[in-house]
Amino acid sequence: DVVLTQSPLSLPVTLGQPASISCRSSQSLVYSDGITYLTWFQQRPGQSPRRLIYKVSNRDSGVPDRFSGSGSGTDFTLKISRVEAEDVGVYYCMQGTRWPLTFGQGTRLEIK
Amino acid sequence: EVQLLESGGGLVQPGGSLRLSCVASGFTFSNYAMGWVRQAPGKGLEWVSDISGSGGNTFYADSVRGRFTISRDNSKNTLYLQMNSLRVEDTAVYYCAKEGGSGSYGHLDYWGQGTLVTVSS
Repeated sequence: DVVLTQSPLSLPVTLGQPASISCRSSQSLVYSDGITYLTWFQQRPGQSPRRLIYKVSNRDSGVPDRFSGSGSGTDFTLKISRVEAEDVGVYYCMQGTRWPLTFGQGTRLEIK
Repeated sequence: EVQLLESGGGLVQPGGSLRLSCVASGFTFSNYAMGWVRQAPGKGLEWVSDISGSGGNTFYADSVRGRFTISRDNSKNTLYLQMNSLRVEDTAVYYCAKEGGSGSYGHLDYWGQGTLVTVSS
């Protein structure tokens, strides 16, 4: 199975400051069609997961532009340019390139 | 507006069975694959199963293969998860999620609110 390793697992951030989460894969996530199926989700306290970013860098509708995704191959990053209070929660990366679908362990973002 | 509404969770003894349902609205259900993802209390997300738009292709995590069965009724816009031989470690909130297309997987662009399954004696 593809193992996704996120770091850090806990991320205290001051309001208005940037934040960055890494997701490293045990295998290349480039599919045979040339597309990389790496997705980022946000799970706010007490809520269902919400997709933020798909195919590495595409923002979902309604997602603020302070969120951005980047990376290639086995190394990916989610960045928040200026953290706001509503960004508190757990962030997960997920790969959809190979069965079974797998998630990273999650990164808990909190306000310092 | 896409909406997914799960039901059927509850308390069941080890070795028992439960069937979860997920009613979908706001999109043409038969045109999209669907999936189930679970989250044990205080833990991360774990993919459980996916099914194609027609229902002809199914996929399972090793942890549930042979015990769980995913199915769908496109006439009722409903996704199911039949869970047999339940174990304590199956205790989790179970989410249904919409995929990107009939035979397109690993997208999970919309999620339901989840239904809690507790396996305990």
